[in-house]
Amino acid sequence: DAKTTQPPSMDCAEGRAANLPCNHSTISGNEYVYWYRQIHSQGPQYIIHGLKNNETNEMASLIITEDRKSSTLILPHATLRDTAVYYCIVKRGSRLTFGEGTQLTVNP
Amino acid sequence: NAGVMQNPRHLVRRRGQEARLRCSPMKGHSHVYWYRQLPEEGLKFMVYLQKENIIDESGMPKERFSAEFPKEGPSILRIQQVVRGDSAAYFCASSPQTGPGANVLTFGAGSRLTVL
Repeated sequence: DAKTTQPPSMDCAEGRAANLPCNHSTISGNEYVYWYRQIHSQGPQYIIHGLKNNETNEMASLIITEDRKSSTLILPHATLRDTAVYYCIVKRGSRLTFGEGTQLTVNP
Repeated sequence: NAGVMQNPRHLVRRRGQEARLRCSPMKGHSHVYWYRQLPEEGLKFMVYLQKENIIDESGMPKERFSAEFPKEGPSILRIQQVVRGDSAAYFCASSPQTGPGANVLTFGAGSRLTVL
């Protein structure tokens, strides 16, 4: 699995967009980018995934650069309940390898 | 759909006892994964199973740990002769065999093991 690099922590004001970056410069052509999050002591929760194109669902948007070496997860209107550790994972096949992730804190 | 069900949610064992953690995957999911999260640490992959088969156990400790996913019933993670270092949250996840969601894992709420 390709290695990813994320900032260890970020802060965001409630109601504003949270933009979480991820570098994956060694990604291979057939590897997907996945985002999960873990709210304190709960099981990880799937957010979104993509290969080449930008993706959007009810939770978030995923922007993948044209060279696929980095991506950004966007939470359009962050709420206090979005405070969590966010994991960017690049994988091929079914096994997920979690890194350290980004601790996002949404402040009132 | 009840999601991925794990039990017990909390388990207390004394050193040397056995711990059995159970995981029922989502309906229609035939792949099960176990992860461990030590206190204040990240999630570590342990094992990946399909029905009656262990596909990848590269994250399992060599001794005392075993996992199974029988044809009928839940997946079981078994820890023999527990030690204090086994105290952790154990998360199970499942995914469908094929289809668009084949690589999306759904996690359970976890089983928290405390070894006294």
